[in-house]
Amino acid sequence: GEDVEQSLFLSVREGDSSVINCTYTDSSSTYLYWYKQEPGAGLQLLTYIFSNMDMKQDQRLTVLLNKKDKHLSLRIADTQTGDSAIYFCAEKGPRGSTLGRLYFGRGTQLTVWP
Amino acid sequence: NAGVTQTPKFQVLKTGQSMTLQCAQDMNHEYMSWYRQDPGMGLRLIHYSVGAGITDQGEVPNGYNVSRSTTEDFPLRLLSAAPSQTSVYFCASSYSRKQRNYEQYFGPGTRLTVT
Repeated sequence: GEDVEQSLFLSVREGDSSVINCTYTDSSSTYLYWYKQEPGAGLQLLTYIFSNMDMKQDQRLTVLLNKKDKHLSLRIADTQTGDSAIYFCAEKGPRGSTLGRLYFGRGTQLTVWP
Repeated sequence: NAGVTQTPKFQVLKTGQSMTLQCAQDMNHEYMSWYRQDPGMGLRLIHYSVGAGITDQGEVPNGYNVSRSTTEDFPLRLLSAAPSQTSVYFCASSYSRKQRNYEQYFGPGTRLTVT
């Protein structure tokens, strides 16, 4: 649970879809999270997915989980300039690890152009 | 609930000075942690605690001390500030046995500059 990888930057045009990708290393991870950090603010939970799910949809957000490839993605439909932020992928530690600890990727800076 | 609160929001220190960053949560969480965030480096875990009286080191503990005398508070002490400690510091908490929820809640951050 210690190597969560994300690309650092993504640019899209307003109205397009954004897809932010993440790979994680621990196949026993039960919860995977997406956090959003707006400029000058702390991180806020955007959505999460439990490992027995392949997909979760919440309004403009779609999370896809491919457990075989240990790949998680976040799709934002109809991306708006207000979606410009840093998005962090995180996984809960494996069974037996510190309860409450999450392992974060480095974050993907999403820039939305008008 | 106030959630996770941090003070101060901004701080400027001179090299060699010491100070304490405050963090408090009112969600009865067992786990609390401190991260620093630097451009391109993501979040790096400094110290964490799984309950009152129990603390442990994260990835980058050098130059920092913590203590957890109560469930609510988790202060971070800089012993002798160095320019390399210029960063944004976030406190986070999670997990209560009652809720069994692993989501981490973050404070608004402290922006520290060491000159």
